[in-house]
Amino acid sequence: GAVVSQHPSWVICKSGTSVKIECRSLDFQATTMFWYRQFPKQSLMLMATSNEGSKATYEQGVEKDKFLINHASLTLSTLTVTSAHPEDSSFYICSARGFTEAFFGQGTRLTVV
Amino acid sequence: GQQLNQSPQSMFIQEGEDVSMNCTSSSIFNTWLWYKQEPGEGPVLLIALYKAGELTSNGRLTAQFGITRKDSFLNISASIPSDVGIYFCAGTGSSNTGKLIFGQGTTLQVKP
Repeated sequence: GAVVSQHPSWVICKSGTSVKIECRSLDFQATTMFWYRQFPKQSLMLMATSNEGSKATYEQGVEKDKFLINHASLTLSTLTVTSAHPEDSSFYICSARGFTEAFFGQGTRLTVV
Repeated sequence: GQQLNQSPQSMFIQEGEDVSMNCTSSSIFNTWLWYKQEPGEGPVLLIALYKAGELTSNGRLTAQFGITRKDSFLNISASIPSDVGIYFCAGTGSSNTGKLIFGQGTTLQVKP
């Protein structure tokens, strides 16, 4: 299947700092990428839909000023968690949509201390 | 909004047994996908279904897209210890935004 690379795989940051997570589709062009958040033992919760060259569409309850999404090219989308707090600690996963199917990155474990 | 109900929530089975899990929706879905997620990893696509009634296999895995387009099942035959993980169903609805809606997941444990 197609390859989606997410980086970093884990990050620990201090409260109040910002963290950037990258999502790259390595062998296909993804006009649409999705960002999810997953809490332990729970399903994936969609945060936002990112379309190349346009503003991201955020799901209800997700703060767009806190979770900045940039989709500058057909192979790269970034999620920046701004002014991170301990409650932002979670597993963040990106997904890139190919022609018909969605492929996921490896996920990023964010721990805010 | 559209939601998926996945069951069972968890299963603990003996190696060699067959496994079945399913997802249902109150509204029509255009695509059904089944993923497996292992701890600390992103979901990996197992089977994708695109047409009502479609039955697709991937090794010991078989999945079907329900005729009503409101349900799907995944079967795993002759389970082995490496089948352990969380299985998610997911689907795209009628909005055609490409957004995947996920089921709650089925945690599978296999006893050797």
